[in-house]
Amino acid sequence: DTAVSQTPKYLVTQMGNDKSIKCEQNLGHDTMYWYKQDSKKFLKIMFSYNNKELIINETVPNRFSPKSPDKAHLNLHINSLELGDSAVYFCASSQGVNVEQYFGPGTRLTVT
Amino acid sequence: GENVEQHPSTLSVQEGDSAVIKCTYSDSASNYFPWYKQELGKRPQLIIDIRSNVGEKKDQRIAVTLNKTAKHFSLHITETQPEDSAVYFCAASRTSSNTGKLIFGQGTTLQVKP
Repeated sequence: DTAVSQTPKYLVTQMGNDKSIKCEQNLGHDTMYWYKQDSKKFLKIMFSYNNKELIINETVPNRFSPKSPDKAHLNLHINSLELGDSAVYFCASSQGVNVEQYFGPGTRLTVT
Repeated sequence: GENVEQHPSTLSVQEGDSAVIKCTYSDSASNYFPWYKQELGKRPQLIIDIRSNVGEKKDQRIAVTLNKTAKHFSLHITETQPEDSAVYFCAASRTSSNTGKLIFGQGTTLQVKP
């Protein structure tokens, strides 16, 4: 199946823990993104990589660190998790910019 | 800063009626305007997009209009069906930034009653 996939789908963890979310796309795209969708459904860009180079780095706490080992993968590591980090995190990819972005299924992170 | 305002936040229509969702953007350099549909528990998916060199684009029951002077754009859905029920997001970006950064509106929850 050609798609954008994310693991895990659900993540429940305690405050203070460190966790990672992984994203892979097999669409051959050169640009990947991380979005956060909060409880009010608001979608906000966090990071974007183009050919493994960071091109968008929004005002996000430095506890969040993205990493792109290659064009097909973009991971998100979160240190010292806080209650306010609870949200759905979406990975997306596109071929170039300002074109359709293909979203992954999302990772629902719950911090208790 | 960059901002996209979307209205209404919720919209309820009868099956077969039309639905209109409106967005206003603040960055006059924005020139790419996609619309995404997100069904409950699912991922956002692109349904239509428009670039600033055209004023209107249509795809079957969906149309988008753009007024660059007023800095607003709208999504029109005709002959609505229950499967149109979802959250709809407008977004804007400027191609000159070369980053693909999308600024999303707050979303509109559309309910189509059978």
